[in-house]
This record gives sequence, structure tokens and C-alpha cells, in this order.
Amino acid sequence: GENVEQHPSTLSVQEGDSAVIKCTYSDSASNYFPWYKQELGKGPQLIIDIRSNVGEKKDQRIAVTLNKTAKHFSLHITETQPEDSAVYFCAASIRGSGNTPLVFGKGTRLSVIA
Amino acid sequence: EAGVAQSPRYKIIEKRQSVAFWCNPISGHATLYWYQQILGQGPKLLIQFQNNGVVDDSQLPKDRFSAERLKGVDSTLKIQPAKLEDSAVYLCASSLGQGGINQPQHFGDGTRLSIL
Repeated sequence: GENVEQHPSTLSVQEGDSAVIKCTYSDSASNYFPWYKQELGKGPQLIIDIRSNVGEKKDQRIAVTLNKTAKHFSLHITETQPEDSAVYFCAASIRGSGNTPLVFGKGTRLSVIA
Repeated sequence: EAGVAQSPRYKIIEKRQSVAFWCNPISGHATLYWYQQILGQGPKLLIQFQNNGVVDDSQLPKDRFSAERLKGVDSTLKIQPAKLEDSAVYLCASSLGQGGINQPQHFGDGTRLSIL
């Protein structure tokens, strides 16, 4: 089945710097890759997603890139702010068609130091 | 629009007892998922419903876990009897479920279960 690896597990950056989180997936049939932000005591919140027919997507300070050949995708957060501190999860759809469940990475705890 | 509602938020029980969780998805969302999130890990799928039918329950420990979505809206997840390793956050998510492409999944805040 699908396996998603996420790195790093923890990341500390100074306010205003950029943060990059990387994920790899194993199943070449996967075609949908969302990123979630989870704050303490809350459920995961979708922040951006990308489909396999697109190489890059941007939404204000957040961008995601996808390399289908290498089977990896990355989250980029620019001009980080203290409120960006949270646990971030990447995920990949399994089976690659229809409304399929997600396989999640183990998460990255991002700390933005003011 | 209202988000995914879950209750209770917290539950503490002793091992071998039973427990039930409730989920109300976003209005109009045909697909509903239950995920288990163990501390320090990402969510893991337990079961997926499309309307009131089960699409995927391959990772549901069926000897102790059960779930239903009788009218294609609300869903309940039950554990009986509970084991210590069931301590986790149980998350419900829903998506539109239309067309042949993945629609974004929206999560509730979960039920935190502690087994003593």
C-alpha cells in the first residue's frame, strides 16, 4: 500500500524566515496531495492541496511543489509568523481515483521564534 | 458553512468497557471518514462511507470496532471492548464525494479517548 515519509520531524525558524517541509510517497497511482495544519486540541485544517497534473501551486505565503517522477512534494512557507507554529501533515491519496482515503505522513512540528 | 461536528470532545473509560463517538458531517457531503490519530502520529483511516454504504473498512479492527451511517448523514463509531492501545484521538472527516476526482476532506476536532 501507499507509504508517505515526511521530514523533518521538527523545525525551528526565526520569524520572517522561510520553512520547507518535504514528503515522499511510494504509490505512483496517487494523484492528490493535500497539506494540513493541526493546532493543539484541534482537528487537521486543510491549508493547500495539489493534484498530479500541476507542478506547483501558491496561495499567498504558502506554496506546494510536486515532482511526480521523483515521487516527492514539498510545502514552502515564506515570511513565517508566530501563528504559523503548529504540526503540519502531508498526505497522499491511495488508489488514485475517486474519493479515496488519505495516507498521512508522521507530521512536522514547526516552531516560529519571534 | 458549519464544519464537521463531533461529540464528545473527551472520554475516559476503563479497559474492556465500551464507548461510542458521534459525527455530523458538513451538509451535503456524501463521503464520510473515520480516522484514528495516535499521539505523535498522523491520522490513520479506520473506515470510509459513501452515503450510507461502506467503501473501505480494511483497516478497521472488526473484532472490537463497528461503525454505521444509517441515513447517509450522521455516523457513530463504537469500540467494544476497549483496549489500552485504543487510546487516541478519533477524527471524523467529510468530503463532497462527487465526480471521479478527490475532493478536499474537512476534519472535525475529534474525540480524545483515554483508556485506564
